[in-house]
Amino acid sequence: DQQVKQNSPSLSVQEGRISILNCDYTNSMFDYFLWYKKYPAEGPTFLISISSIKDKNEDGRFTVFLNKSAKHLSLHIVPSQPGDSAVYFCAAIEGAQKLVFGQGTRLTINP
Amino acid sequence: NAGVTQTPKFRVLKTGQSMTLLCAQDMNHEYMYWYRQDPGMGLRLIHYSVGEGTTAKGEVPDGYNVSRLKKQNFLLGLESAAPSQTSVYFCASSPGTPEAFFGQGTRLTVV
Repeated sequence: DQQVKQNSPSLSVQEGRISILNCDYTNSMFDYFLWYKKYPAEGPTFLISISSIKDKNEDGRFTVFLNKSAKHLSLHIVPSQPGDSAVYFCAAIEGAQKLVFGQGTRLTINP
Repeated sequence: NAGVTQTPKFRVLKTGQSMTLLCAQDMNHEYMYWYRQDPGMGLRLIHYSVGEGTTAKGEVPDGYNVSRLKKQNFLLGLESAAPSQTSVYFCASSPGTPEAFFGQGTRLTVV
């Protein structure tokens, strides 16, 4: 049973526009939500996180929104740049520090 | 600072062979994890450790064993490799905060 779901396998966005990546979860006990970015042949790297007691966290061009009632979070990238092209994983954590990942969304930024 | 280092980076095994994947971290982190990444499945937790001498099962532990004899090392063993274990394996470590740091991965092919 997939507790964290990213229903869009891929997303293509024009350079300079906003990229919105979505994630849904089923476990209401998750404490933190994170986004990881992954380039080919590299390990995932941490991008941004949000506590379950907040509804928004911003870091430069990246903003994560959390809607607990809908069990939904999203990552906004504004403006999108070619270097943002990567696979983005949504992840959630509960208590024992076990990260549960979504399937990933491949973001392509077109010039 | 090397961070999280995985050895080897690539390996081809024949069905039934055994091997050990080594993960080493130099950040003095308590928590360590082994994940596997398969297309369309995201990253799935195999085993994890919350400290030296401890191990616990994750989401997909069957066919794997682990050991954490030293705090900085986390070994993943395959006793009798099967084609279904063809995957990219990632090790990660964490100081106990939600953010985890990943190695570059080991691409394993079982033929």
